[in-house]
Amino acid sequence: LAKTTQPISMDSYEGQEVNITCSHNNIATNDYITWYQQFPSQGPRFIIQGYKTKVTNEVASLFIPADRKSSTLSLPRVSLSDTAVYYCLVGDDNNAGNMLTFGGGTRLMVKP
Amino acid sequence: EAGVTQSPTHLIKTRGQQATLRCSPISGHTSVYWYQQALGLGLQFLLWYDEGEERNRGNFPPRFSGRQFPNYSSELNVNALELEDSALYLCASSRTTASLGDTQYFGPGTRLTVL
Repeated sequence: LAKTTQPISMDSYEGQEVNITCSHNNIATNDYITWYQQFPSQGPRFIIQGYKTKVTNEVASLFIPADRKSSTLSLPRVSLSDTAVYYCLVGDDNNAGNMLTFGGGTRLMVKP
Repeated sequence: EAGVTQSPTHLIKTRGQQATLRCSPISGHTSVYWYQQALGLGLQFLLWYDEGEERNRGNFPPRFSGRQFPNYSSELNVNALELEDSALYLCASSRTTASLGDTQYFGPGTRLTVL
């Protein structure tokens, strides 16, 4: 099973760049890596998805090394509203079909 | 385009009762996923439906069940409710199986409280 490991929490200050790393040593060949943001009592919101190398959108960048055993979500110039839990998701392929596993999540606290 | 919708927003039940939660996926999405999120914890995978069939389920007892209708909407049923079933239940949908690169989009959730 492609389980993921993330830091439990991180602190940052407004305007800084934040990098959150997710480890997924058993990632399968067909699996994509997806990151979500979640605020309390709300459904997770899609941030970014990638398969390899680097992906960038208007919100974040995702860096994936060649071995794909980890990935790093980069949030440029964070603001107070970026305080949330960030989840790394890797598709998990087993004989019975696909079962998706969320990491434990990283609680990001952005301070003024 | 409307997002994933869930109903009801809140549901209060007593121990031993049954709860029914509903989810409507984004138009064109055939896969529906259910997750449980207990207070302060991460998301736990419950069930995955695709094209009307249950494709996989997480490590939950059989009293958690559901179905997917021909219009791809889905229902989650929880029988014989226990206090520890109190949680936020999230539904997500995708065009195909998410591990093939199709993003899961989440609904706002149903907050189930068991008294």
